[in-house]
Amino acid sequence: NAGVTQTPKFQVLKTGQSMTLQCAQDMNHNSMYWYRQDPGMGLRLIYYSASEGTTDKGEVPNGYNVSRLNKREFSLRLESAAPSQTSVYFCASSEVVGGDYGYTFGSGTRLTVV
Amino acid sequence: RKEVEQDPGPFNVPEGATVAFNCTYSNSASQSFFWYRQDCRKEPKLLMSVYSSGNEDGRFTAQLNRASQYISLLIRDSKLSDSATYLCVVNGAGGTSYGKLTFGQGTILTVHP
Repeated sequence: NAGVTQTPKFQVLKTGQSMTLQCAQDMNHNSMYWYRQDPGMGLRLIYYSASEGTTDKGEVPNGYNVSRLNKREFSLRLESAAPSQTSVYFCASSEVVGGDYGYTFGSGTRLTVV
Repeated sequence: RKEVEQDPGPFNVPEGATVAFNCTYSNSASQSFFWYRQDCRKEPKLLMSVYSSGNEDGRFTAQLNRASQYISLLIRDSKLSDSATYLCVVNGAGGTSYGKLTFGQGTILTVHP
């Protein structure tokens, strides 16, 4: 089925470890996003990529880096994980930034940093 | 003030009830509005867009009041399967939110038999 695929689905890291969350979409969308969701906080934008070759910070970018590898793939990297980064991470895509058709989300990555 | 604010609930209603959720947004220049549904431990999914004239999709009715910066969702004849978290979403306009969706914290709905 067409959509957004995220890997891994679950991950436990020790403080200070690094990891990369992978995201791929097969809908030929131009724009991709990384959000984190914490209880009582809603989804907050970490980084986004309006189009292939561009990335920009969102609301909560500290401690993260991203790479838009090609039109399909947008990865999120934690260089030195901290307990405050324990969260559920969602990747999403849309035809364009600011489009009226909403986003399609991946199924999420549940990350625990101990 | 948060960009998008919702009553977190929870709302507990019997099957067949009508329930309404409200949402306010802070940026008057926002252009697009949505309601998303999120089931427990799942990703958010688009429920419906919200248009200025109001719109309906089956049992669901969404309304927008730009003057008051207020969005609503009405669910009629609630079903057990409507139990979920409902997210009010605004297409940001200005600053780092420009062009990107900003989410409210969600309103939890539980429909019981």
